[in-house]
Amino acid sequence: QKEVEQNSGPLSVPEGAIASLNCTYSDRGSQSFFWYRQYSGKSPELIMSIYSNGDKEDGRFTAQLNKASQYVSLLIRDSQPSDSATYLCAGEKLVFGQGTRLTINP
Amino acid sequence: DTGVSQDPRHKITKRGQNVTFRCDPISEHNRLYWYRQTLGQGPEFLTYFQNEAQLEKSRLLSDRFSAERPKGSFSTLEIQRTEQGDSAMYLCASRSRAGGLFGGYTFGSGTRLTVV
Repeated sequence: QKEVEQNSGPLSVPEGAIASLNCTYSDRGSQSFFWYRQYSGKSPELIMSIYSNGDKEDGRFTAQLNKASQYVSLLIRDSQPSDSATYLCAGEKLVFGQGTRLTINP
Repeated sequence: DTGVSQDPRHKITKRGQNVTFRCDPISEHNRLYWYRQTLGQGPEFLTYFQNEAQLEKSRLLSDRFSAERPKGSFSTLEIQRTEQGDSAMYLCASRSRAGGLFGGYTFGSGTRLTVV
């Protein structure tokens, strides 16, 4: 089992809807999780960090962490075409998921 | 510029040649990481440094790869006798630690290597 796993997609969501991205992890000792956005040909950009169980909101983005179930999710509300990118989940131990490609359809 | 800088941005080399990439991390970040990313995949960890000490190396880092961070500031990644399979984006990232928790990585723009 990989340390961090994501559905590679592609995930297609209509503009204005909620996009939901999920990630599971195997290391129960992980304390920190990060969501990155990566546009084609660009390097990853940190958009959310989460350290505690529950939800963390930042603008249109909400990260959710459930340590008991070992999953992390990212919700994007009011999805915009500019949100179309690959979203990468990472734990604190240097390991990234393979990324989920998200497309927002106008 | 307070971000992570990588040089060069692009490198085309012939198979069998040696290449060296440089990374300048954010100055207050003591941890520096190298990743490799191929199309459609997430970044793969190669190695990381805390200050000048190389603390971990991936099995992906064959003996043709070597990384240094001599003064705990910038780092170099050298690939000897390049192969076509080395073609990838090489990403450098740095991070800080505060209050016992690690912050997220900040990535540089990457060096895209093409081996022909």
